[in-house]
Amino acid sequence: GAGVSQTPSNKVTEKGKYVELRCDPISGHTALYWYRQSLGQGPEFLIYFQGTGAADDSGLPNDRFFAVRPEGSVSTLKIQRTERGDSAVYLCASSLVAGASQETQYFGPGTRLLVL
Amino acid sequence: AQSVSQHNHHVILSEAASLELGCNYSYGGTVNLFWYVQYPGQHLQLLLKYFSGDPLVKGIKGFEAEFIKSKFSFNLRKPSVQWSDTAEYFCAVKRYSSASKIIFGSGTRLSIRP
Repeated sequence: GAGVSQTPSNKVTEKGKYVELRCDPISGHTALYWYRQSLGQGPEFLIYFQGTGAADDSGLPNDRFFAVRPEGSVSTLKIQRTERGDSAVYLCASSLVAGASQETQYFGPGTRLLVL
Repeated sequence: AQSVSQHNHHVILSEAASLELGCNYSYGGTVNLFWYVQYPGQHLQLLLKYFSGDPLVKGIKGFEAEFIKSKFSFNLRKPSVQWSDTAEYFCAVKRYSSASKIIFGSGTRLSIRP
């Protein structure tokens, strides 16, 4: 079946601009996660949704970052006033049920964001 | 706070050599443990996972990992590597609780000489 999909695959923007990154989870998965992976590092948690609500947004680095999941399926990560330090690969993952004792997260291909 | 340490940043092996990648985590409670792999040009894929029970878990492509609770370790092993195992390997931990974020190590790049 279809996996997690993310669009765009690459995004180049200028410092100060606004960007939106989209994630389509695996059908039927109720939990959705955003991670950020900088060069040479492992992914770092940003936020996760259980259904439509953000259950944990403790990883968002500052108030320029915001994410929504209005219908409990597709999610959009929004970054305002982008900075060069925001350049990274933004990963989305989904799972059947967040917090379950045997939860497994499945990752999408990521969006590579470059801020010039 | 939870953290994951992967001791080797880059490992170079010849085909048919045995592999062991180290992983240690810091967290005093019950955890779920994972190894993810990222092949060149591909996205993160689950290699294997430990939730409970037998501490020796087997994954895809002949990989296995052993959870040693007393050492807070979850090392990845493969008896005989192939060129196609060239990839980045990430160890990861998640609390066995309602908190669902995964904490990743910084990764180990594995290069296999044909």
